[in-house]
Amino acid sequence: GIQVEQSPPDLILQEGANSTLRCNFSDSVNNLQWFHQNPWGQLINLFYIPSGTKQNGRLSATTVATERYSLLYISSSQTTDSGVYFCAVAYMGDMRFGAGTRLTVKP
Amino acid sequence: SQTIHQWPATLVQPVGSPLSLECTVEGTSNPNLYWYRQAAGRGLQLLFYSVGIGQISSEVPQNLSASRPQDRQFILSSKKLLLSDSGFYLCAWSVGGGEFFGPGTRLTVL
Repeated sequence: GIQVEQSPPDLILQEGANSTLRCNFSDSVNNLQWFHQNPWGQLINLFYIPSGTKQNGRLSATTVATERYSLLYISSSQTTDSGVYFCAVAYMGDMRFGAGTRLTVKP
Repeated sequence: SQTIHQWPATLVQPVGSPLSLECTVEGTSNPNLYWYRQAAGRGLQLLFYSVGIGQISSEVPQNLSASRPQDRQFILSSKKLLLSDSGFYLCAWSVGGGEFFGPGTRLTVL
């Protein structure tokens, strides 16, 4: 099956800093998503981005499918950005999650 | 708009007891439905997915089973819970691109 690796595993930022989270995957995919899991466990779909670049406010994501990676950018981080960020990829309905990046934003 | 419901939100069950977790989706038709489990606060494992009524695919052998009696209803069950079944169970749906998750059920087996 598809392997998904996320880096870094843990990230601590000061409020206002920028960050880049990376997701590498081992095979061709037709679906890639980024999720944010808040401290209460709720998973929020941030981006559906099998290829290209998308932006939503302070967050943006880029997927280079041919090179099998995706990046999530967080600018001007806020304490509410804390939580775990997951990358999930799928091919033909088989969806796999990475282990996540745990982000802590300090005031 | 689409919404997804899961209940209960938390559950504490003794080892050997049965389990039934329910997930329902509103505002969409013929969604793909998924059950995931998350242990130790990180990493989601796909347990079951369904592309239609009565159609269930299992990803890993385990003590659990799933059923889809109606188009927008997905049920996760067990006849006898094990300690290792503890975790955070998430239901998700998708139609076309993107998966959307319910609020989850935190199960503790004692």
